[in-house]
Amino acid sequence: QVQLVQSGAEVKKPGSSVKVSCKVSGGTFNTYALFWVRQAPGQGLEWMGGILPMFGPTNSAQKFQGRVTFTADESTDTTYMELSSLKSDDTAIYYCARVRLDYYGDPNYFDPWGQGTLVTVSS
Amino acid sequence: QSVLTQPPSVSAAPGQKVTISCSGSSSNIGSRYVSWYQQLPGTAPKLLIYDNDKRPSGVPDRFSASKSGTSATLDITGLQTGDEADYYCGTWDTTLTAGVFGGGTKLTVL
Repeated sequence: QVQLVQSGAEVKKPGSSVKVSCKVSGGTFNTYALFWVRQAPGQGLEWMGGILPMFGPTNSAQKFQGRVTFTADESTDTTYMELSSLKSDDTAIYYCARVRLDYYGDPNYFDPWGQGTLVTVSS
Repeated sequence: QSVLTQPPSVSAAPGQKVTISCSGSSSNIGSRYVSWYQQLPGTAPKLLIYDNDKRPSGVPDRFSASKSGTSATLDITGLQTGDEADYYCGTWDTTLTAGVFGGGTKLTVL
């Protein structure tokens, strides 16, 4: 059974970067599409983007383009999301999840999810 | 403003049925599969429904869903207090070339 375990909470200053990890166990890492979703306090889910096996990073959601980087390390079965130029409204819980692709090769559904990582951006 | 539109809240008594709607467009729901997620308080979302109407193993058959045109619905029958959670619909948008979610619906079991 696939499990995703994320790194711990972070507190960052505005303008800095954060790198959140997501370690995958219980499956074949390099066959998985691994994506990221964030949730600001009291708000809904926001799709960010992720990484596809064999193809590498996908396009991120437009609002994150130029600020977010998705990487994967097959030697440790870990995927990473790095967000730069942090602002206070980047304060959120960041979730990684395995994504099943649809017939067209686009992300379909998320299952399972990591436990989430709270990133707080504050001066 | 979410691309997919859900009612902010729904409520019903224990044992009753509730329906949560999710409205989109031809570039998302109208052309791709819909999935639904349950987020219990303080926890990560959990897959409830995939490919419009399929339940993962372990999800009770009290949860069902359907899709018609550019809208989808999630039905929950035999409501239990443990069903109190936020529910989200999600899909892919071919114009945005990005995943999209509804704004979420808070279910209260009175």
